[in-house]
Amino acid sequence: DIVMTQSPDSLAVSLGERATINCKSSQSVLYRSNNKNYLAWYQQKSGQPPKLLIHWASTRESGVPDRFSGSGSGTDFTLTISSLQAEDVAVYYCQQYYSSPLTFGGGTKVEIK
Amino acid sequence: QVQLVESGGGVVQPGRSLRLSCAASGFTFSNYGMHWVRQAPGKGLEWVAVKSYDGRNEEYADSVKGRFTISRDNSKNTLDLQMNSLRVEDTAVYYCARPHYSDSYMYAFDIWGQGTMVIVSS
Repeated sequence: DIVMTQSPDSLAVSLGERATINCKSSQSVLYRSNNKNYLAWYQQKSGQPPKLLIHWASTRESGVPDRFSGSGSGTDFTLTISSLQAEDVAVYYCQQYYSSPLTFGGGTKVEIK
Repeated sequence: QVQLVESGGGVVQPGRSLRLSCAASGFTFSNYGMHWVRQAPGKGLEWVAVKSYDGRNEEYADSVKGRFTISRDNSKNTLDLQMNSLRVEDTAVYYCARPHYSDSYMYAFDIWGQGTMVIVSS
């Protein structure tokens, strides 16, 4: 199984400042034949189901604000919120869909400082 | 609109069974492999099972293999999860989820239901 490790577990950022979340996979999730990273990021607000933000490591889902961006390749990935807004308070998860079983990172809680 | 609605959750004793259902609408259900994902209280997300679009293939997490069975009825646009020999550690919100694309079930999940809570307790 591919183990997904997120860091930090939580972070507090001032409004308007940058938030950076890291995700590391225990093996590469880059599929060489199509050069795509099988990595997604989700946002989960309290009491709600997860919401897909980014897939293919860096492709923003329709309707997701452009302050959210994903980067990285192979085994190391980053989700960046360029200017934190109050509505971004949530837990963020990475997920690999390269191989079964599909696995998630442990989550990163983002709060306002 | 595209929607998934889970039902069937509740409180059940250890060792007993429960059947969850997910009703899909707003898209061609029979084109998509469909998944169950769960989340224990205060914990992270755990993938549980998947059923291919045509029902021919299925996969399970090791934690539920041999106890849970995923099934679907494409004529009714429903996805089920039969949970037997339930354990306290199966306590969670159970979500059904749709992958982003229909040509495989190995994609990110773009549509999630609101979830149904299962509590296993004596």
